Amino acid sequence: EVQLLESGGGLVQPGGSLRLSCAASGFTFSSYAMTWVRQAPGKGLEWVSTISGSRGGTNYADSVKGRSTISRDNSQNTLYLQMNSLRAEDTAVYYCARRAEGSGNYYAFDYWGQGTLVTVSS
Amino acid sequence: QSALTQPASVSGSPGQSITISCTGTSSDVGAYNYVSWYQQHPGKAPKLMIYDVTNRPSGVSNRFSGSKSGNTASLTISGLQAEDEADYYCSSYTSSKTLVFGAGTKLTVL
Repeated sequence: EVQLLESGGGLVQPGGSLRLSCAASGFTFSSYAMTWVRQAPGKGLEWVSTISGSRGGTNYADSVKGRSTISRDNSQNTLYLQMNSLRAEDTAVYYCARRAEGSGNYYAFDYWGQGTLVTVSS
Repeated sequence: QSALTQPASVSGSPGQSITISCTGTSSDVGAYNYVSWYQQHPGKAPKLMIYDVTNRPSGVSNRFSGSKSGNTASLTISGLQAEDEADYYCSSYTSSKTLVFGAGTKLTVL
């Protein structure tokens, strides 16, 4: 059974940093591109960043580019998102998601974690 | 990158069919067959319903179907059921090698 379990969220002050983790199980982690998607309270979904499976190529939304780094440890089946210089507008539930089986590109997601809440506030 | 345009809300009675539109540009929806649709119930993670415009993941009811014409993609739900009441989001790959979501559509089953 595919499982994605996020952790690392919490309350952080503006300008602070946080590292989110996503522990994956039930599939060959290194074979799949992985993505972070966030959702501000009461708002819609926003793509944050994607990393390829083995070569580790990355892509970022403009809203986090230069402040966030996506990475993965295929030996530990874990996805990360390092977020720096956090702002109030980064407050959201952060989901990790797996590339959909059979999709022609990296940007459809068939399994999602339950999400971890990041709150940026003083 | 601007969000894709979806109606804020749609509604239908049980058994009816509804369609949710998702309008983008020639740089996203119109450029690629990489439109996906997600269903999200309150407090839950999104669920993939359609990917690559028309494909249904294993386990998703065939009452859900997707299509695209030009810069507009559509999700059709036939034989509406109470459990279909949820928020629905479209997404599309873009020419900037990013992903853009729609703002979401709240489906109410009357």
